[in-house]
Amino acid sequence: AQKITQTQPGMFVQEKEAVTLDCTYDTSDQSYGLFWYKQPSSGEMIFLIYQGSYDEQNATEGRYSLNFQKARKSANLVISASQLGDSAMYFCAMREGRTRSWGKLQFGAGTQVVVTP
Amino acid sequence: DAMVIQNPRYQVTQFGKPVTLSCSQTLNHNVMYWYQQKSSQAPKLLFHYYDKDFNNEADTPDNFQSRRPNTSFCFLDIRSPGLGDAAMYLCATSISGGSSYNEQFFGPGTRLTVL
Repeated sequence: AQKITQTQPGMFVQEKEAVTLDCTYDTSDQSYGLFWYKQPSSGEMIFLIYQGSYDEQNATEGRYSLNFQKARKSANLVISASQLGDSAMYFCAMREGRTRSWGKLQFGAGTQVVVTP
Repeated sequence: DAMVIQNPRYQVTQFGKPVTLSCSQTLNHNVMYWYQQKSSQAPKLLFHYYDKDFNNEADTPDNFQSRRPNTSFCFLDIRSPGLGDAAMYLCATSISGGSSYNEQFFGPGTRLTVL
């Protein structure tokens, strides 16, 4: 079963506007972590932001913020004031539990963002 | 700067000809991962090393092997590449710990072409 669902395959956004990328997840673990990564066309995965399942505050990192709604199992990424350099594929990922294999990241299918002038 | 390095960035091999991709890290992380990412798809974990312990994903084909001779280096060996193995291969590292937060640091990837 799909653990991470990203329903938006692609989005266009105008420069300087905000954009929200959707992510829902499925887990029965109480302890888990949610990550967002950016992948430009060059291929490197760049870590953006993290939200822990026990974190009460929504995570923020510069222009990135995470809208974490635990009861709905959603972790949407908000990019404020979009820049041309934000054009990339964005992946939501989850790590479950505290077992030794907890390091495994499960990725969603990704959302391709294109920022237009 | 501490980082994850992958060589080569682009690799071309022939159908059935063994190929080795390399990954090195200066972060001194004890966990290293290999992901396969096909075009327009999410990365898929092949296996990971927790220190020297090798952990294979259940659906990773036997054609894929890995070696970790020391903390800094990890290799991905594809014994007999098929056309379906053409993909980007991403190496990542993280440090183990008590919380679920430990981001994975990714290398730039090796794009493998199989002719």
